[in-house]
Amino acid sequence: AQTVTQSQPEMSVQEAETVTLSCTYDTSESNYYLFWYKQPPSRQMILVIRQEAYKQQNATENRFSVNFQKAAKSFSLKISDSQLGDTAMYFCAFTKRDDKIIFGKGTRLHILP
Amino acid sequence: EAQVTQNPRYLITVTGKKLTVTCSQNMNHEYMSWYRQDPGLGLRQIYYSMNVEVTDKGDVPEGYKVSRKEKRNFPLILESPSPNQTSLYFCASSTHRGSNYGYTFGSGTRLTVV
Repeated sequence: AQTVTQSQPEMSVQEAETVTLSCTYDTSESNYYLFWYKQPPSRQMILVIRQEAYKQQNATENRFSVNFQKAAKSFSLKISDSQLGDTAMYFCAFTKRDDKIIFGKGTRLHILP
Repeated sequence: EAQVTQNPRYLITVTGKKLTVTCSQNMNHEYMSWYRQDPGLGLRQIYYSMNVEVTDKGDVPEGYKVSRKEKRNFPLILESPSPNQTSLYFCASSTHRGSNYGYTFGSGTRLTVV
């Protein structure tokens, strides 16, 4: 069975700094998809970025980028020039064809002014 | 606007009083699912539906029921709620189960059972 592990329950960084959230996963599949979801205090689940395993190039969305290491089964999220609005719970997630999305337990990120 | 609409946003009820949380999507998605979110446990799937009249258990189905009579609606029913069902609930939808575009989520229902 697939698992997703986020080893950092909580983190705090100063505004404008760069922060990296860790995620590892376990699977025997070769083709799958990975996601980072953001959950701000409003509770809405927002898809931040996604990565397809067969693509070697790391995904980027504005200030958000990932470091996808397929062999190491690692999928970390980097937030550059962090802003107060980045304060949220972040969930790493995994899915493969014909299966549900599995979520990690989340990392609560605080951006400090 | 493409969205998943979930109601109510907050609900406080007493043990044993039946309740329904509604979920509706306007994207013509075939796949719909319910998750519950608890501190330290992340999101866990309760039930899912691959299409109309096709539903199946997720990882934590005990104490819940669902139905899918129409493609757009997927209500979550708690026939006899108990305090351990106090949680944050999310409805989600997608074109298919293992979508590479992820799921679209509703805005969540905070349920408290006293």
